[in-house]
Amino acid sequence: DQQVKQNSPSLSVQEGRISILNCDYTNSMFDYFLWYKKYPAEGPTFLISISSIKDKNEDGRFTVFLNKSAKHLSLHIVPSQPGDSAVYFCAAPQNYGQNFVFGPGTRLSVLP
Amino acid sequence: NAGVTQTPKFQVLKTGQSMTLQCAQDMNHNSMYWYRQDPGMGLRLIYYSASEGTTDKGEVPNGYNVSRLNKREFSLRLESAAPSQTSVYFCASIGGEWNSYEQYFGPGTRLTVT
Repeated sequence: DQQVKQNSPSLSVQEGRISILNCDYTNSMFDYFLWYKKYPAEGPTFLISISSIKDKNEDGRFTVFLNKSAKHLSLHIVPSQPGDSAVYFCAAPQNYGQNFVFGPGTRLSVLP
Repeated sequence: NAGVTQTPKFQVLKTGQSMTLQCAQDMNHNSMYWYRQDPGMGLRLIYYSASEGTTDKGEVPNGYNVSRLNKREFSLRLESAAPSQTSVYFCASIGGEWNSYEQYFGPGTRLTVT
């Protein structure tokens, strides 16, 4: 049973528009979340994170929103650029970082 | 800083062969991880090492062994490879700022077992 779900395997967006990537989780003990971006043939790279004491965290074009009651988080990219085309994973640490649970990823394609 | 490095980048094994995947980090991080990534399944933790000399099983440890040789290096060994171990393997580390959960990943090793 997946504890972290990303129900959209893929998403296509026009350049300049907003991309919204969603992530749902089932474990109410999760109190921190991270988003990673992955290009083909490379390892994931950290993008942005959010603690459960916040409901929003912003870094440039990237904003993560957390809705604890719905056990849902979303990553907004505004404006989307072709270089944002990648697979995006959301993840949550368990046991103070002894384990991390990753979602299956969403492939974002930003069309010029 | 090279960050996290992994060798080899690609490997093809026959069923029953053994091999060791190497990982090293130059960021003086304490914790290191081995993951496998399979299509549609995200990254799954194989083994974790909180510090030199300690290792713990993750979600999918069967068929693997690990060695935390020193603070820099964390190797993953397949003693008798099976086709089910065909995957992309990533090594990661953590240990910068206190209480940071940001992982740094290597470029991956793509392993095919025939």
